[in-house]
Amino acid sequence: DAKTTQPTSMDCAEGRAANLPCNHSTISGNEYVYWYRQIHSQGPQYIIHGLKNNETNEMASLIITEDRKSSTLILPHATLRDTAVYYCIVRVGGSQGNLIFGKGTKLSVKP
Amino acid sequence: EPEVTQTPSHQVTQMGQEVILRCVPISNHLYFYWYRQILGQKVEFLVSFYNNEISEKSEIFDDQFSVERPDGSNFTLKIRSTKLEDSAMYFCASSELDTLSHEQFFGPGTRLTVL
Repeated sequence: DAKTTQPTSMDCAEGRAANLPCNHSTISGNEYVYWYRQIHSQGPQYIIHGLKNNETNEMASLIITEDRKSSTLILPHATLRDTAVYYCIVRVGGSQGNLIFGKGTKLSVKP
Repeated sequence: EPEVTQTPSHQVTQMGQEVILRCVPISNHLYFYWYRQILGQKVEFLVSFYNNEISEKSEIFDDQFSVERPDGSNFTLKIRSTKLEDSAMYFCASSELDTLSHEQFFGPGTRLTVL
């Protein structure tokens, strides 16, 4: 699986958009970008995934650059409950197979 | 909404003792996983299980570890002789057998403390 690089930490004001970047310059053509988050030692939670096109669901939006070497997870209106560690994972698509978690980005949403 | 459950939430044991961590995956899921997270460190994959056998395991998953699906609902992780360094949060996860599915569902974890 391709390696990812994320900032160690970020702050965001409550109600503002949180934009979390991820670099994955060695991504292969059949690898998807996945985002999970972990709220304070709870089990990781799936957020969104994408291959080439931008994606949006009820939780977030995922913007993938045209060359697919980087992506941005957007939480449009961050709340205090969005404070968590966010993991960008690149792997071949599908739910089966292990997830390889990096250190992620610690997002702190402040009032 | 269906969810993965794990018991106990916290297990304290003495070094050298056997522990069994239990998980009930989501009922129609067919892939099962164990991950662990040592305090302050990354979430690490241990093992995946499909069709009543291990499909993949990491180098952490040595002979001290075993997994079992003893009935149609439970999925267990056994550590035969615990060591201090086994102290961690252990997360169970499950996923569907569906080519369109991309999500693994995680349980709340069991905190294992080895004294």
